[in-house]
Amino acid sequence: SQQGEEDPQALSIQEGENATMNCSYKTSINNLQWYRQNSGRGLVHLILIRSNEREKHSGRLRVTLDTSKKSSSLLITASRAADTASYFCATKHEGGGNKLTFGTGTQLKVEL
Amino acid sequence: DAGVIQSPRHEVTEMGQEVTLRCKPISGHDYLFWYRQTMMRGLELLIYFNNNVPIDDSGMPEDRFSAKMPNASFSTLKIQPSEPRDSAVYFCASSLQQGTYTFGSGTRLTVV
Repeated sequence: SQQGEEDPQALSIQEGENATMNCSYKTSINNLQWYRQNSGRGLVHLILIRSNEREKHSGRLRVTLDTSKKSSSLLITASRAADTASYFCATKHEGGGNKLTFGTGTQLKVEL
Repeated sequence: DAGVIQSPRHEVTEMGQEVTLRCKPISGHDYLFWYRQTMMRGLELLIYFNNNVPIDDSGMPEDRFSAKMPNASFSTLKIQPSEPRDSAVYFCASSLQQGTYTFGSGTRLTVV
Protein backbone atom coordinates (compact mmCIF):
# COMPACT_ATOMS: atom_id res chain seq x y z
CA SER A 1 0.00 0.00 0.00
CA GLN A 2 1.20 3.52 -0.72
CA GLN A 3 -0.82 4.92 2.15
CA GLY A 4 1.15 7.42 4.19
CA GLU A 5 1.60 7.37 7.91
CA GLU A 6 0.97 10.40 10.04
CA ASP A 7 2.12 11.14 13.49
CA PRO A 8 1.04 11.82 16.02
CA GLN A 9 -2.33 10.11 15.69
CA ALA A 10 -3.77 12.63 18.15
CA LEU A 11 -2.53 15.95 19.46
CA SER A 12 -4.02 18.17 22.16
CA ILE A 13 -2.73 21.70 22.70
CA GLN A 14 -3.77 25.01 24.23
CA GLU A 15 -5.01 27.90 22.13
CA GLY A 16 -2.13 30.06 21.02
CA GLU A 17 0.38 27.21 20.89
CA ASN A 18 1.84 25.82 17.67
CA ALA A 19 0.83 22.41 16.34
CA THR A 20 3.14 20.23 14.26
CA MET A 21 2.02 17.15 12.35
CA ASN A 22 4.23 14.81 10.37
CA CYS A 23 3.61 12.65 7.36
CA SER A 24 5.73 9.93 5.78
CA TYR A 25 5.16 8.21 2.46
CA LYS A 26 6.71 5.34 0.55
CA THR A 27 7.21 6.10 -3.13
CA SER A 28 8.26 9.10 -5.24
CA ILE A 29 5.71 11.87 -5.53
CA ASN A 30 4.71 14.68 -7.86
CA ASN A 31 3.19 16.68 -5.06
CA LEU A 32 1.96 16.42 -1.50
CA GLN A 33 -1.19 18.08 -0.19
CA TRP A 34 -2.71 18.69 3.21
CA TYR A 35 -6.44 18.54 3.89
CA ARG A 36 -8.54 19.29 6.95
CA GLN A 37 -11.68 17.42 7.99
CA ASN A 38 -14.06 18.77 10.59
CA SER A 39 -16.18 16.21 12.39
CA GLY A 40 -18.94 14.88 10.17
CA ARG A 41 -17.84 16.91 7.16
CA GLY A 42 -15.92 16.44 3.94
CA LEU A 43 -12.24 17.21 3.51
CA VAL A 44 -11.08 20.71 2.66
CA HIS A 45 -7.86 21.44 0.80
CA LEU A 46 -5.33 23.52 2.73
CA ILE A 47 -2.03 23.63 0.86
CA LEU A 48 -0.06 21.89 -1.89
CA ILE A 49 3.71 21.52 -2.13
CA ARG A 50 5.43 20.22 -5.24
CA SER A 51 8.26 17.70 -5.20
CA ASN A 52 10.80 20.36 -6.19
CA GLU A 53 9.78 22.67 -3.35
CA ARG A 54 11.08 22.48 0.20
CA GLU A 55 8.85 24.88 2.07
CA LYS A 56 5.58 26.68 1.54
CA HIS A 57 3.52 29.12 3.58
CA SER A 58 -0.15 30.03 3.60
CA GLY A 59 -1.37 32.29 6.39
CA ARG A 60 -0.72 30.47 9.67
CA LEU A 61 0.25 27.27 7.85
CA ARG A 62 3.79 26.23 7.03
CA VAL A 63 4.55 23.02 5.14
CA THR A 64 7.96 21.47 4.62
CA LEU A 65 8.90 18.61 2.34
CA ASP A 66 11.99 16.42 2.49
CA THR A 67 11.94 14.10 -0.51
CA SER A 68 15.15 12.35 0.57
CA LYS A 69 13.41 11.23 3.77
CA LYS A 70 10.00 10.91 2.09
CA SER A 71 8.44 13.06 4.76
CA SER A 72 6.51 16.28 5.24
CA SER A 73 5.39 18.36 8.17
CA LEU A 74 2.52 20.77 8.68
CA LEU A 75 2.92 23.54 11.24
CA ILE A 76 -0.06 25.55 12.40
CA THR A 77 1.06 28.63 14.31
CA ALA A 78 -0.91 30.46 17.00
CA SER A 79 -3.61 27.78 17.01
CA ARG A 80 -7.27 28.57 17.64
CA ALA A 81 -10.15 26.48 18.91
CA ALA A 82 -11.55 26.56 15.35
CA ASP A 83 -8.46 24.63 14.17
CA THR A 84 -9.80 21.56 15.99
CA ALA A 85 -10.15 18.94 13.23
CA SER A 86 -8.43 15.96 11.63
CA TYR A 87 -5.57 16.73 9.28
CA PHE A 88 -4.57 14.45 6.42
CA CYS A 89 -1.62 14.46 4.10
CA ALA A 90 -2.25 13.19 0.58
CA THR A 91 0.28 12.27 -2.06
CA LYS A 92 0.13 12.22 -5.82
CA HIS A 93 2.62 9.61 -6.91
CA GLU A 94 4.72 9.53 -10.05
CA GLY A 95 3.00 7.32 -12.60
CA GLY A 96 -0.11 7.20 -10.44
CA GLY A 97 -2.35 9.28 -12.65
CA ASN A 98 -4.50 11.89 -10.95
CA LYS A 99 -5.31 9.94 -7.81
CA LEU A 100 -4.43 11.03 -4.29
CA THR A 101 -3.39 8.56 -1.60
CA PHE A 102 -4.36 9.78 1.85
CA GLY A 103 -2.50 9.24 5.09
CA THR A 104 -3.99 7.99 8.31
CA GLY A 105 -4.60 11.49 9.71
CA THR A 106 -3.82 13.43 12.89
CA GLN A 107 -6.67 14.45 15.20
CA LEU A 108 -5.91 17.90 16.55
CA LYS A 109 -7.75 19.33 19.54
CA VAL A 110 -7.16 22.93 20.48
CA GLU A 111 -8.43 23.78 23.94
CA LEU A 112 -9.37 27.20 25.23
CA ASP B 1 -21.07 27.42 -6.82
CA ALA B 2 -22.83 25.00 -4.45
CA GLY B 3 -19.81 22.71 -4.34
CA VAL B 4 -19.91 18.94 -4.69
CA ILE B 5 -23.36 17.69 -3.77
CA GLN B 6 -23.94 14.20 -2.43
CA SER B 7 -27.19 12.48 -1.59
CA PRO B 8 -28.47 11.10 0.61
CA ARG B 9 -26.55 12.38 3.65
CA HIS B 10 -27.47 9.32 5.65
CA GLU B 11 -28.65 5.90 4.53
CA VAL B 12 -29.68 2.99 6.70
CA THR B 13 -30.50 -0.21 4.91
CA GLU B 14 -30.88 -3.88 5.60
CA MET B 15 -28.32 -6.42 4.53
CA GLY B 16 -29.02 -7.68 1.02
CA GLN B 17 -30.68 -4.51 -0.19
CA GLU B 18 -29.44 -2.38 -3.08
CA VAL B 19 -27.98 0.99 -2.18
CA THR B 20 -27.40 3.88 -4.60
CA LEU B 21 -25.30 6.88 -3.68
CA ARG B 22 -25.38 9.99 -5.83
CA CYS B 23 -22.95 12.77 -6.60
CA LYS B 24 -23.08 16.03 -8.53
CA PRO B 25 -19.58 17.41 -9.14
CA ILE B 26 -18.66 21.06 -9.51
CA SER B 27 -19.66 22.33 -12.92
CA GLY B 28 -16.69 22.30 -15.29
CA HIS B 29 -14.63 19.82 -13.30
CA ASP B 30 -13.45 16.95 -15.46
CA TYR B 31 -12.35 14.48 -12.76
CA LEU B 32 -14.62 12.71 -10.29
CA PHE B 33 -13.51 10.46 -7.44
CA TRP B 34 -15.29 8.10 -5.06
CA TYR B 35 -13.64 7.44 -1.68
CA ARG B 36 -14.69 5.36 1.31
CA GLN B 37 -13.71 6.28 4.88
CA THR B 38 -13.70 3.88 7.81
CA MET B 39 -11.92 3.92 11.15
CA MET B 40 -10.05 0.72 10.32
CA ARG B 41 -8.90 1.50 6.78
CA GLY B 42 -8.97 5.30 6.61
CA LEU B 43 -9.69 6.94 3.25
CA GLU B 44 -9.61 4.53 0.32
CA LEU B 45 -10.01 5.47 -3.32
CA LEU B 46 -12.64 3.26 -4.94
CA ILE B 47 -12.74 4.59 -8.50
CA TYR B 48 -12.15 7.74 -10.48
CA PHE B 49 -13.41 9.13 -13.78
CA ASN B 50 -11.97 11.57 -16.28
CA ASN B 51 -14.43 13.16 -18.70
CA ASN B 52 -17.05 10.58 -17.62
CA VAL B 53 -14.76 7.62 -18.44
CA PRO B 54 -13.61 5.30 -15.62
CA ILE B 55 -9.82 5.50 -15.40
CA ASP B 56 -8.93 3.41 -12.36
CA ASP B 57 -11.36 1.10 -10.57
CA SER B 58 -8.72 -0.99 -8.83
CA GLY B 59 -10.03 0.13 -5.45
CA MET B 60 -13.54 -1.23 -5.95
CA PRO B 61 -13.69 -3.98 -3.34
CA GLU B 62 -15.69 -6.55 -5.28
CA ASP B 63 -18.32 -7.08 -7.95
CA ARG B 64 -21.06 -5.95 -5.61
CA PHE B 65 -19.82 -2.40 -6.17
CA SER B 66 -20.40 -0.53 -9.41
CA ALA B 67 -20.08 3.11 -10.42
CA LYS B 68 -21.33 5.06 -13.38
CA MET B 69 -20.99 8.55 -14.74
CA PRO B 70 -23.61 8.96 -17.49
CA ASN B 71 -22.82 12.65 -17.96
CA ALA B 72 -20.52 15.38 -16.66
CA SER B 73 -22.88 16.43 -13.90
CA PHE B 74 -23.89 13.15 -12.28
CA SER B 75 -22.37 9.97 -10.91
CA THR B 76 -23.70 7.03 -8.94
CA LEU B 77 -22.10 4.40 -6.75
CA LYS B 78 -24.20 1.29 -6.34
CA ILE B 79 -23.82 -1.58 -3.90
CA GLN B 80 -25.86 -4.70 -4.59
CA PRO B 81 -26.32 -6.64 -2.39
CA SER B 82 -25.18 -4.60 0.58
CA GLU B 83 -23.41 -6.17 3.58
CA PRO B 84 -22.74 -4.86 7.12
CA ARG B 85 -19.02 -4.50 6.30
CA ASP B 86 -19.95 -1.91 3.66
CA SER B 87 -20.93 0.49 6.48
CA ALA B 88 -18.76 3.59 6.05
CA VAL B 89 -18.80 7.20 4.96
CA TYR B 90 -18.63 7.48 1.18
CA PHE B 91 -17.18 10.68 -0.27
CA CYS B 92 -17.34 12.05 -3.75
CA ALA B 93 -14.76 14.62 -4.88
CA SER B 94 -14.10 16.48 -8.11
CA SER B 95 -11.19 18.38 -9.58
CA LEU B 96 -10.38 20.51 -12.58
CA GLN B 97 -7.70 18.82 -14.66
CA GLN B 98 -5.05 17.68 -12.17
CA GLY B 99 -5.76 20.32 -9.57
CA THR B 100 -6.74 19.97 -5.96
CA TYR B 101 -9.86 18.10 -4.90
CA THR B 102 -13.16 19.51 -3.69
CA PHE B 103 -15.03 17.03 -1.53
CA GLY B 104 -18.73 16.63 -0.90
CA SER B 105 -20.11 16.27 2.61
CA GLY B 106 -20.32 12.50 2.30
CA THR B 107 -22.99 9.83 2.68
CA ARG B 108 -22.95 7.89 5.93
CA LEU B 109 -24.08 4.35 5.07
CA THR B 110 -25.18 1.92 7.74
CA VAL B 111 -26.04 -1.63 6.73
CA VAL B 112 -27.83 -3.60 9.44
